[in-house]
Amino acid sequence: DSGVTQTPKHLITATGQRVTLRCSPRSGDLSVYWYQQSLDQGLQFLIQYYNGEERAKGNILERFSAQQFPDLHSELNLSSLELGDSALYFCASSGVAGGEQYFGPGTRLTVT
Amino acid sequence: DAKTTQPNSMESNEEEPVHLPCNHSTISGTDYIHWYRQLPSQGPEYVIHGLTSNVNNRMASLAIAEDRKSSTLILHRATLRDAAVYYCILRYRGFSGNTPLVFGKGTRLSVIA
Repeated sequence: DSGVTQTPKHLITATGQRVTLRCSPRSGDLSVYWYQQSLDQGLQFLIQYYNGEERAKGNILERFSAQQFPDLHSELNLSSLELGDSALYFCASSGVAGGEQYFGPGTRLTVT
Repeated sequence: DAKTTQPNSMESNEEEPVHLPCNHSTISGTDYIHWYRQLPSQGPEYVIHGLTSNVNNRMASLAIAEDRKSSTLILHRATLRDAAVYYCILRYRGFSGNTPLVFGKGTRLSVIA
């Protein structure tokens, strides 16, 4: 158990819909990262937050957005969903000094 | 980020040592070498990291070439639980080290009983 929790574990929705994925980092970790894993693209970094502020952006689509709240949990919002958005979405957290990232169990999103 | 090259797949017998190679010929002086692995149906997990010297921890050893252009992750006695995809990642440490990970395709390790 990494200490990072993600909900829901599975999500099935239709094209055009909007969903929210939630992540709670390890206690005390200020950085939260979101990654997407699909069969054709592998594991790709989407976005990073540090203590409530956006720190880095990767290959995140404009239809996707994220935020980190004062209690440090984070949400990833995916809108106007397309079939190609079906993937595993992982959240990771790391401490003040950086170092290793701890990954959650992931949310499997299926868009039908 | 500097690029790494790993074999697509490797196979090992249970209870034998495994050496997973990684080439990173364009590594810069501020890049740390990180290894993560992803077990089936799980998120990636940290294995080990190093800068110049060889490193050991409870999971594995990391051997880094003198010129730092390659490294080898060593699992001393492979178990069935070690079957996973292993990722070698170069990570800029910089000021805080809070940088995202850039994953390649990794090496899929199969362990045979």
